[in-house]
Amino acid sequence: SQQGEEDPQALSIQEGENATMNCSYKTSINNLQWYRQNSGRGLVHLILIRSNEREKHSGRLRVTLDTSKKSSSLLITASRAADTASYFCATVPYNTDKLIFGTGTRLQVFP
Amino acid sequence: DGGITQSPKYLFRKEGQNVTLSCEQNLNHDAMYWYRQDPGQGLRLIYYSQIVNDFQKGDIAEGYSVSREKKESFPLTVTSAQKNPTAFYLCASSPRDRGALEQYFGPGTRLTVT
Repeated sequence: SQQGEEDPQALSIQEGENATMNCSYKTSINNLQWYRQNSGRGLVHLILIRSNEREKHSGRLRVTLDTSKKSSSLLITASRAADTASYFCATVPYNTDKLIFGTGTRLQVFP
Repeated sequence: DGGITQSPKYLFRKEGQNVTLSCEQNLNHDAMYWYRQDPGQGLRLIYYSQIVNDFQKGDIAEGYSVSREKKESFPLTVTSAQKNPTAFYLCASSPRDRGALEQYFGPGTRLTVT
């Protein structure tokens, strides 16, 4: 079962612009994570936000979480061509230790 | 891809044949996971194991089997009973008490069955 739905499905921007991706989910969660996947490769963990947190930063990444709306957003500031990848949100439903992945946003950053 | 190896990178099989995908980790992680990814989709959990000699079905276990005889290894067999086996298969691991916090992924095996 895929709990997360991501929006947009695809995003194209120029280098230097900001990229925002959104994730919605269905059930109560322990935490929400964002992962990056370069084409044809494995996933890399980017950032985790717990259910009692509202915002978290890591370098050029900013994640927000609104548990009342069951949604999260990932902002990548000052994007670079190397940020081109697919980005997935993954939730850990309450009282479980399994990750449930969303459908992903494909980001293309043009130099 | 941090200490998790999957082999081979590409695998081709004829319909009706079983095939085993390898996953090895040297991170000393207790928990290991197998996911399937179809084009344009997220990952779906096939099987997971939190400790040697124990494993649990995920959301789409039908047509697959696993074993966990060693901490470092978690091979996945795609059997002929799996109706649509062509996909990208990803293995992951995590420390046992951090399975809900972050997982480390291998580079994946792309299986094509014709």
